[in-house]
Amino acid sequence: GAGVSQSPRYKVAKRGQDVALRCDPISGHVSLFWYQQALGQGPEFLTYFQNEAQLDKSGLPSDRFFAERPEGSVSTLKIQRTQQEDSAVYLCASSSGQGDYGYTFGSGTRLTVV
Amino acid sequence: AQSVSQHNHHVILSEAASLELGCNYSYGGTVNLFWYVQYPGQHLQLLLKYFSGDPLVKGIKGFEAEFIKSKFSFNLRKPSVQWSDTAEYFCAALQAAGNKLTFGGGTRVLVKP
Repeated sequence: GAGVSQSPRYKVAKRGQDVALRCDPISGHVSLFWYQQALGQGPEFLTYFQNEAQLDKSGLPSDRFFAERPEGSVSTLKIQRTQQEDSAVYLCASSSGQGDYGYTFGSGTRLTVV
Repeated sequence: AQSVSQHNHHVILSEAASLELGCNYSYGGTVNLFWYVQYPGQHLQLLLKYFSGDPLVKGIKGFEAEFIKSKFSFNLRKPSVQWSDTAEYFCAALQAAGNKLTFGGGTRVLVKP
């Protein structure tokens, strides 16, 4: 596609509910990143994939957070047993990985946990 | 750990005024630097980036940034702002040979018509 697509745009979850957020990167982009952006703050790194391999998950805040990219294209970020502190915008970005570092960001999913 | 700090959280100015947003990074090695803009309701867009060479980098929409290695700074400037520059601006750094961008906290800029 022309850009990075994320769905849903908005998600309201009850505390304790599991959620799944989807990212469709630009076709052919090798690298895929997830970021978390809390209200009034800059994006914080969560995890990084190169193709289907998750090379860095150092930013995942707890073991309730899990990300996958099984076929090296679409990625899903799953949050189990959501808590109020998980409320944030979750951003996905992709890049060609050719050293250009031209990350393209999606519009994000705004998660609100009530 | 690498960090990026932006000094101003909010800036309000009138059209045609000059804009300068501060950004400092903590990493001492080779680092690549970026400025992103997020217009209301839109996704993050790249304004400009610095990898090497001329420390004065020109980006889109009349923005420029100057890399000053001795000050660990990468300040963003625009000589004359327009109402359409109202947005949130993020500075970001990437360690050479690294993969993850580290963002500053952002600066909200409001340009009054």
